[in-house]
Amino acid sequence: DIVMTQSPDSLAVSLGERATINCKSSQSILYSSDNKNYLAWYQQKPRQPPRLLIYWASTRESGVPDRFSGSGSGTDFTLTISSLQAEDVAVYYCQQYYSTPYTFGQGTKLEIK
Amino acid sequence: EVQLVESGGGLVQPGGSLRLSCAASGFTFSSYWMHWVRQAPGKGLVWVSRINGDGSSTSYADSVKGRFTISRDNAKNTLYLQMNSLGAEDTALYYCANAPGHKNPPDSWGQGTLVTVSS
Repeated sequence: DIVMTQSPDSLAVSLGERATINCKSSQSILYSSDNKNYLAWYQQKPRQPPRLLIYWASTRESGVPDRFSGSGSGTDFTLTISSLQAEDVAVYYCQQYYSTPYTFGQGTKLEIK
Repeated sequence: EVQLVESGGGLVQPGGSLRLSCAASGFTFSSYWMHWVRQAPGKGLVWVSRINGDGSSTSYADSVKGRFTISRDNAKNTLYLQMNSLGAEDTALYYCANAPGHKNPPDSWGQGTLVTVSS
């Protein structure tokens, strides 16, 4: 199984500042046949289901604000929130969908400083 | 608008069985892969299973393989998860989610149904 490891486990950022969450996979999730990284980012607010933010490591889902961006390739990935808003307080998860089981990272709790 | 509504959760004794359902609407159900993902209270997300559009291809997490069975009824636009030999470790909120293809991540999610395994 591919192990996904996020860092940090929790993060406190001031409003308007940048937030950065990292995700590392235990093996490459770059598919050579299509040159795509099979990595997604989700946001989960309390008592809500997860919301897909980013797929293919860097493609924003429709309706996701452009302050959210994803980057990285191979085994190392980053979710960046360029200017933190109050409504961004949530737990963020990365997930690989390169091969089953589609494993998630342990989650990163993002709070306001 | 995509809607996924899970049902069938509840309290079950260890060793018991339960069947979860997920009623889908707002998209062409038979064209989508479907997933089950669970979340134990206060814990992270764990992928459980997936099934392709016509039900001919399924995959499972090792922790549920041989105990859980995913299936679908495209005529009823409904996804199922048959869960047998339940243990305390299966206590979780179970979400269903859709994906447009096997090379896509789970996209739209339901609100979940809670399964509690306890004596």
